[in-house]
Parts: sequence; C-alpha cells; structure tokens
Amino acid sequence: DTAVSQTPKYLVTQMGNDKSIKCEQNLGHDTMYWYKQDSKKFLKIMFSYNNKELIINETVPNRFSPKSPDKAHLNLHINSLELGDSAVYFCASSQGSKRLSTDTQYFGPGTRLTVL
Amino acid sequence: GQSLEQPSEVTAVEGAIVQINCTYQTSGFYGLSWYQQHDGGAPTFLSYNALDGLEETGRFSSFLSRSDSYGYLLLQELQMKDSASYFCAVRPSGGYNKLIFGAGTRLAVHP
Repeated sequence: DTAVSQTPKYLVTQMGNDKSIKCEQNLGHDTMYWYKQDSKKFLKIMFSYNNKELIINETVPNRFSPKSPDKAHLNLHINSLELGDSAVYFCASSQGSKRLSTDTQYFGPGTRLTVL
Repeated sequence: GQSLEQPSEVTAVEGAIVQINCTYQTSGFYGLSWYQQHDGGAPTFLSYNALDGLEETGRFSSFLSRSDSYGYLLLQELQMKDSASYFCAVRPSGGYNKLIFGAGTRLAVHP
C-alpha cells in the first residue's frame, strides 16, 4: 500500500565506507528525486530522474551516484562516506506535470544516515 | 537563483489562527507550494498556488501575491496535531520539476 518506500530507515556506518539507499514508488509516476535534509531541517534537492534519465544534478559531490533501473526505482550509492554526509535522505516522486499544474511531490519516510 | 524566507518559529494556542509568511526572491516560478513535516516524518503536501489569490483546503488556506513576492499559509482552528514544521517551496520555471524549499517554520501549538 505504501506509495513511496525507502530502505533502510536507519543507517549507521563508519567514515570511508560505501553505502546504498533504495527507493521504490508504486504511484506510476515518471519523475523521482533525492533530497537531503540536514540537522537544521533544510531540505535540498540532490538529483532528479525522469523515466530513468538523469535530469537534475545539483552540484552534488561525485561520491554520490544515483541509479534508476526503471522508472519505479531510484537508488542512491554513496562512496567514501564523510562526517558531513550525516543527514536524512528523502526520496520523492511526482507525475512530472508541466507549467502551472501542481505536480505534487510524494516523499518517502526518509533514511537517517549517521556517519561516525 | 531562488531564495525563500520564513520565520523560524511560531507559537500559538489550540483553537487560534496562525499565519506563516514566506517571502521569496526568484527569477521565475510556476507556483508556490506548502508542505508539512512532523518530527521524524516525511514532508507531505498541503497546498499549492499557481496564481495570485487564496486557495482554501479545509482548515488550511494559502495565499500568493506575485507582485509582492509573498505568500502565506493560514491555519485555522489550530489543533495539537498541527504542531509540525511548515515549508514553503517554489517550482522554478524554465526547467524540470524540482522544488526549492524555504528553511521551514516550526509551529508549536499549546493547550
């Protein structure tokens, strides 16, 4: 029943490790996103995919590599984790509507990443 | 570029009305959205204004004035469950659908 799901919900790891977060949506949407929310709750877009094609890359370090095997899935792999990567990572999806229509984004429950 | 400013915190009592303002600087956008986020939860969509004026959805209303670069979210008949963070966000025009969020306003509702 869940619209946008992410795994894992919590991730605790050491600096220098590599980790992945998975996201799936069952809403039939064409567009998926990764957002990072820092400790001050500031939400910032990282990436967006439309039908498996990368369309937004917001100057994120290349240690972060998104992958979209199909339009219902968007994964995020992070290499060589750093302390500053600690945050909550949200996946979201939307229809990808144009211009004035709302194009509501539906967010997953988030993955709280803690780098020690 | 785009930037949005909101008050960091607002406090109100149950049953009251509260207005959360959002002023923005942007080179162009399709619309202004509002999202609610409870502690430990995900942002959820509340309201969207593509055009100037008021949009009403139950106890929540949102307003946009493009000429004043200003919008607000109005919450009426406040309930304890409305304690959450509220984010305004713009959809920049001329590109793909992404949201640029304000820093969020934490609303605390007291009995």
